[in-house]
Parts: sequence; structure tokens; C-alpha cells
Amino acid sequence: NAGVTQTPKFRILKIGQSMTLQCTQDMNHNYMYWYRQDPGMGLKLIYYSVGAGITDKGEVPNGYNVSRSTTEDFPLRLELAAPSQTSVYFCASRETSGTYEQYFGPGTRLTVT
Amino acid sequence: EDQVTQSPEALRLQEGESSSLNCSYTVSGLRGLFWYRQDPGKGPEFLFTLYSAGEEKEKERLKATLTKKESFLHITAPKPEDSATYLCAVFTTGTASKLTFGTGTRLQVTL
Repeated sequence: NAGVTQTPKFRILKIGQSMTLQCTQDMNHNYMYWYRQDPGMGLKLIYYSVGAGITDKGEVPNGYNVSRSTTEDFPLRLELAAPSQTSVYFCASRETSGTYEQYFGPGTRLTVT
Repeated sequence: EDQVTQSPEALRLQEGESSSLNCSYTVSGLRGLFWYRQDPGKGPEFLFTLYSAGEEKEKERLKATLTKKESFLHITAPKPEDSATYLCAVFTTGTASKLTFGTGTRLQVTL
């Protein structure tokens, strides 16, 4: 199993541009999450999904959108990028039941200038 | 609002010098506490889950313990390869499986 994969690894955007961060997991996990990590701050939840077709906002959803059309994929869309969205983005997934731990992807480092 | 506080922010140890990292929490209805390791430029890597006060988990030189207010990650005779940031997170009732993370402890182990 590859686990949780994310693309791209790095990206530089200009203010006002849009992009999609890709996340795929091959563990058949129903729960998937998007976090952002800023220096000196804990990981903050942006959006999460409990299964295909079901998504909900986390702590910091403004400026982002998500969709979940399949169990495997959970893309994060940035519309009208702003410097405040400069961060490292992590996708995670977990099983529906059991021990609740989340498994993380390698991250996408995004810079908005 | 759930709060997780980790201390110290940074810790420098010599190889073989044992120490402990602290994670204190203020939550309603703790269901689980997680420890993760994060290397620079990588995603967090799962280490342990603790569910109830008094529980302990061990893995190589690491041992995690849990009380009703805090968790400790004890590092015994650390090696340079243990250098990383260690993150603590809590999972509570009524949060639809969302985790609340602390800001982490950055550990450096030198020869």
C-alpha cells in the first residue's frame, strides 16, 4: 500500500490564482481530512469527509473548497489565493471504526506571493 | 473549546540523556490521545494511542503515559535519530473524529 499520497509537493502561486491540491489514499478509509500547518502553530483542520459525497467544515475553512466523489480521492481547492494561505497542507485518513488514529500524507508546501 | 498544550517548545539532549515531554489537555469527554513524530519536510507519523488514565504504551526508546490531565512521552537513552518534532493530539466525544493538536516539542539529540 502507498498509504496517503499528495501532489504536488511544492507550488508557488500568484495572488488571485486558483489551484487544486490532490490527495489519494489506497487503504479504503472512509474518513479523510485536510489540515494546514503554519510555523509555531498546531495543525488546523480545514475540511473533513466521513465518506464519498459527504463533507463538512473544520476550524479554518474560509478560502477553500472540497469534494469527495470517490472513497480514494479528496481534493482541496483554493480559489483566489491569498498570502495568508501560504502554508504546508497535509491530507490524512482513518478507518471508520477501530483505533481512530489518522495517517498522514507527505504534505504540499504552498507559497502565495 | 478543547485545548492542548505541549512543553517544552524545544529540548536539546545529549545521546543517552533521558527526559520527558509533556502534553497537558483541557477537553470535554476525552476519547483518545495520540502521539505523532514529525521529521522536517515530512507528514506526521503515528506513534501511540492512549485511551484511559493509567494506560502506558512503549516502542523502542519511547514510552507514553496518560493521566486525567496530561500525557508524558518518556525518551530513554535517546539517539540522534530520535531528533524530530513530537506532536500530541486529542480526540473527544461529539467532534466527529476531529483531532485537536498541540504545537509540538522540537527534540534535538546530539552526540
